[in-house]
Amino acid sequence: DIQLTQSPSFLSASVGDRVIITCRASQGISTYLAWYQQKPGKAPKLLIYAASTLQSGVPSRFSGSGSGTEFTLTISSLHPEDFATYYCQQLNSYPPFPFGPGTKVDIK
Amino acid sequence: QVQLVESGGGVVQPGRSLRLSCAASGFSISSYGMHWVRQAPGKGLEWVAIISYDGGDKHYADSVKGRFTISRDNSQNTLYLQMNSLRAEDTAVYYCAKSPGPSNSSGYYYSLFDVWGQGTLVSVSS
Repeated sequence: DIQLTQSPSFLSASVGDRVIITCRASQGISTYLAWYQQKPGKAPKLLIYAASTLQSGVPSRFSGSGSGTEFTLTISSLHPEDFATYYCQQLNSYPPFPFGPGTKVDIK
Repeated sequence: QVQLVESGGGVVQPGRSLRLSCAASGFSISSYGMHWVRQAPGKGLEWVAIISYDGGDKHYADSVKGRFTISRDNSQNTLYLQMNSLRAEDTAVYYCAKSPGPSNSSGYYYSLFDVWGQGTLVSVSS
């Protein structure tokens, strides 16, 4: 099975900062990757799928890129409501559907 | 609006059973695959199970295979997870989630989670 890793595990940032989170796959997965945001005590929320397609209703300050084994989620200018944990997930037509371990974005 | 509401969580002893329900509103689940995803306290997300739109195709994570059963009642717009032989490591918040695709014929859409419930906590402890 494919394993996903994320870096960093934790980052401290300020409002207005540009934030980049990386997800790496143990094997090439083309652009079959999604990103989710989870705030404490809440369910995750789909942000991006197919590596770079923004889910409807998600602010344009979020963007995704990458293919193969390396992917990035970029927040162009951090808003107060963006402090959360972010997970990548491998997409496939057949299980399993693994998640990365998560990146927590905290207030500096 | 589109909503999923889980119920049935609670405290249960190891080896016992529990059934979770997920009631949908604002849309019909009959056109979509449905998932269960769990999150142990302070940990990351783990996909648990998926069922196709008509219930004809089901798959499970290795960690629950043979112990958990996913099912659905499209007439009641409800998804279920029957959990048997529960273990301490099954302690988690369990989320139901909707797939935008009906089955694996929809390609990678099948594995997306585009609508989530609020979660229900299952605690396995003696």
